[in-house]
Amino acid sequence: ETGVTQTPRHLVMGMTNKKSLKCEQHLGHNAMYWYKQSAKKPLELMFVYNFKEQTENNSVPSRFSPECPNSSHLFLHLHTLQPEDSALYLCASSRGGGTNEKLFFGSGTQLSVL
Amino acid sequence: AQSVTQPDIHITVSEGASLELRCNYSYGATPYLFWYVQSPGQGLQLLLKYFSGDTLVQGIKGFEAEFKRSQSSFNLRKPSVHWSDAAEYFCAVGPNTGNQFYFGTGTSLTVIP
Repeated sequence: ETGVTQTPRHLVMGMTNKKSLKCEQHLGHNAMYWYKQSAKKPLELMFVYNFKEQTENNSVPSRFSPECPNSSHLFLHLHTLQPEDSALYLCASSRGGGTNEKLFFGSGTQLSVL
Repeated sequence: AQSVTQPDIHITVSEGASLELRCNYSYGATPYLFWYVQSPGQGLQLLLKYFSGDTLVQGIKGFEAEFKRSQSSFNLRKPSVHWSDAAEYFCAVGPNTGNQFYFGTGTSLTVIP
C-alpha cells in the first residue's frame, strides 16, 4: 500500500465513450502526476499538478483532460479515445513545492480502447 | 536532451546469483537518479535514489547502486537474487528542482530456481 489509490483497476471503453480515471492520495502531498505506460516504451509524463495548479502538459492530445479539484484528488477525463491510447495509466504523487523527491505510485488503471 | 537508457530489455538469473542492471543517462545538469521496481499489476516502488554525496547508495531489499559520473551510469546491483525479485526495473533521472522525471524503458528480470 503506497498511499495512492487508483480506480478503476481495469477499464474497457469504445472510441465514442466518455470515462474518467480517479486517483486519490492520503500522504499529504502537494504534487500529483499522470503517467502513461505502454509496452517497451519509457513512462510518459502526461500532466503534473503542483498545489492544484497544472505545471506540466507534455503535448498530450485534448482527448485527455485532467482535473485536480484539491491536492488529494486527481482525475483524468477521457473522450473519443483511439486504440493506440490503450495502456496502463499511472498516478503518482510527491511532496511537491519545486523540490525533487521520490514519487509514490498507484497501481494503475489498465485501459483498453476498442 | 535528457534521456535514460536501459540497454537490457530482459535478464534471466539463477536464484542466489548476483545481479547487475545497467542504466545510462543523458542530462544537462547535476542529475538526481532513481531506481524503481514494478511487480505485475502494481505501480512503481522506489528502491533507492542518489542526490549527492557517497556515490554508492544502499536501498531497500538488499539493492545498491553506484553513480559514475565519468560513465554517465547508475547501475543497480544485488549480490544474491531471490525469487521474489522477479519484476520490472526502471531507472529514472530528475532535476534538482521541478517535477520532470525521465524514465528508461525498463529491464524485465526473471529469476530461475
